[in-house]
Amino acid sequence: DAGVIQSPRHEVTEMGQEVTLRCKPISGHDYLFWYRQTMMRGLELLIYFNNNVPIDDSGMPEDRFSAKMPNASFSTLKIQPSEPRDSAVYFCASSGWERGHNGYTFGSGTRLTVV
Amino acid sequence: EDKVVQSPLSLVVHEGDTVTLNCSYEVTNFRSLLWYKQEKKAPTFLFMLTSSGIEKKSGRLSSILDKKELFSILNITATQTGDSAIYLCAVEGNTGNQFYFGTGTSLTVIP
Repeated sequence: DAGVIQSPRHEVTEMGQEVTLRCKPISGHDYLFWYRQTMMRGLELLIYFNNNVPIDDSGMPEDRFSAKMPNASFSTLKIQPSEPRDSAVYFCASSGWERGHNGYTFGSGTRLTVV
Repeated sequence: EDKVVQSPLSLVVHEGDTVTLNCSYEVTNFRSLLWYKQEKKAPTFLFMLTSSGIEKKSGRLSSILDKKELFSILNITATQTGDSAIYLCAVEGNTGNQFYFGTGTSLTVIP
C-alpha cells in the first residue's frame, strides 16, 4: 500500500483565495482525520470521519473551513477565503482495524502558506 | 478539558547520551498512549502503550506507562544524530476514535 497520500505537498496562495487540500486514505481504513500543525499550537485535530460520515468537527476553526469525504478513498479540506493565519502544515491520517496496535498512519502533509 | 503535556519542550544532547522524554496526561477514560517520531515530514509510529508497568522496547528506544500517576516516558540510549526529531505523545480518550496530541519535544543530537 502506498500509505496515506496527500496533495499538493506545498501550496502558496494569496489571502482571500480558496484552497483545497486532498487526501487519499489507506485502502480499507474506515477512519480519516484532518490535523493542522503549527509551532505555537502543535497538532490540532480539525475533523474526523468514520465510514465517510463526519463525526466530530468541533476542531474546525471557523466557517471558512469545510471538509468532505464523498467516498471511502477521497477527502478534501477546503478553506475559503484563506487568511495568513491559516498558514500551517495540514496532515491527513487514517486508521483501521489495526488501530489498536499502530494508531494512525499519517500522510506527508501539505504545507500551506497564505501571503 | 482533556490535556496532554510533554516536557521538556526542547533538548540538545551529544551523541552517546541517554535522554528521557516525558508525557503527562489528563484524559477522560484513558484507553491508550502513543509515541510518534516526526522528522521533516509525517509523524511515524513508535509505540502504543495500554498497560502500566510493561516496557515496550525497540532497539535503543523504550517506553513505559504509569496509569496511576498519569504519565509515560520515552527513553533513548546511546543517542545518534539520526534521533534528532520532534517526539510526539498522543493519548486516546473516551471517544475511542481520536488521539489528543501534546506539542512535542524537539530533540537535537549533536556529534
